[in-house]
Amino acid sequence: QVQLQESGPGLVKPSETLSLTCTVSGGSISRYYWSWIRQTPGKGLEWIGYIYYGSTNYNPSLKSRVTILVETSKNQFSLKLSSVTAADTAVYYCARHSGSYFPFDYWGQGTLVTVSS
Amino acid sequence: DIQMTQSPSSLSASVGDRVTITCRASQLINNYLAWIQQKPGKAPKSLIYAASTLQSGVPSKFSGSGSGTDFTLTISSLQPEDFATYYCQQYNSYPPTFGGGTKVEIK
Repeated sequence: QVQLQESGPGLVKPSETLSLTCTVSGGSISRYYWSWIRQTPGKGLEWIGYIYYGSTNYNPSLKSRVTILVETSKNQFSLKLSSVTAADTAVYYCARHSGSYFPFDYWGQGTLVTVSS
Repeated sequence: DIQMTQSPSSLSASVGDRVTITCRASQLINNYLAWIQQKPGKAPKSLIYAASTLQSGVPSKFSGSGSGTDFTLTISSLQPEDFATYYCQQYNSYPPTFGGGTKVEIK
């Protein structure tokens, strides 16, 4: 059974960079697409971007601040979101899909990141 | 971006009830529609994709229907473990977008 687990700091200061890692177990990170999604009470669920091998696709609304990388040897991929504000406070999820036009089939349970000084 | 509108935003139902949730897309999405179940503190769970295909392991009490822009999720006989929030999501075009959710509560 594929499992995804997000990890990273739960508190980030305004203007700094949010960094999260998703560790994939029970399957290889190769051959799949890996996305980051966040959830806020105000905006609901918002797709952030995906990585497939070294190729990425980002939500235009966040593109200037987002970097997603994959570390195949560790079966992990990561999210960096720069210049954060309180509006970036959210639960961040990682998820798997089998293609760019495929649904998310596995999700992590999410990690809350609060942006505050 | 494609806007996804769900209704109702919440509903109260009893164990054994038949429950229907609707989702409307702001443009045609070629049945690239998924339904997702979310329980507090748990990983979201994919229930249905391609509007009506059950993910592996999902019980047949869940069903999806619809085409074009209008879609429906039905739970045929609500059980205690089904009380959760349900989201629709389109993956026809980027960025993928989600409905606002329907919270199913115990009456």
